[in-house]
Amino acid sequence: AQSVTQPDARVTVSEGASLQLRCKYSYSGTPYLFWYVQYQRQGLQLLLKYYSGDPVVQGVNGFEAEFSKSDSSFHLRKASVHWSDSAVYFCAARGQGGSAKLIFGEGTKLTVSS
Amino acid sequence: GPKVLQIPSHQIIDMGQMVTLNCDPVSNHLYFYWYKQILGQQMEFLVNFYNGKVMEKSKLFKDQFSVERPDGSYFTLKIQPTALEDSAVYFCASSLGLASAETLYFGSGTRLTVL
Repeated sequence: AQSVTQPDARVTVSEGASLQLRCKYSYSGTPYLFWYVQYQRQGLQLLLKYYSGDPVVQGVNGFEAEFSKSDSSFHLRKASVHWSDSAVYFCAARGQGGSAKLIFGEGTKLTVSS
Repeated sequence: GPKVLQIPSHQIIDMGQMVTLNCDPVSNHLYFYWYKQILGQQMEFLVNFYNGKVMEKSKLFKDQFSVERPDGSYFTLKIQPTALEDSAVYFCASSLGLASAETLYFGSGTRLTVL
């Protein structure tokens, strides 16, 4: 069955530290992969997406993610976090067959401490 | 960027009543979606809608659920009658196309509490 897993429900990092949020997927074939962020009381906003080519994709606000087919992963990274990055981050995947269904992970709540 | 608006942000109703959740999608988008998130769980696909029709729905989209977008106005999710297990946050989304790489734009959700 298709699934997306974010093993860390909560992550706390200090401001200025580096960040990695983990995402693993289980799909037949290679899905399209997305990272969304949800700031408090706002809708989900797209950070970045991957569908082919360079496995490292750049997103907004200094975020990047790396696709690994061998590891079935799409981890999100940032070199230096800011307090404003505190939010809930969702990894999501969609099959290449044109299905409308976007499958989400459980979400990771990031807290950046000063 | 493009915004999807959901009204209201929170709704409380008694079990058995009808509820309509409203979504104002991005103006030139053609595809519309509803997702459901029970507290502490994953966001799950309910349904998507195009050109006046349901294109795809999940097992969570029960017979008591219906969607419509009359005259290009709000895209609505109606639940009639509601049940306790319908308590969740409902997210609306829209997209320009249906290609798998297409970006979905989400609203901030409506928290539905069924008493």
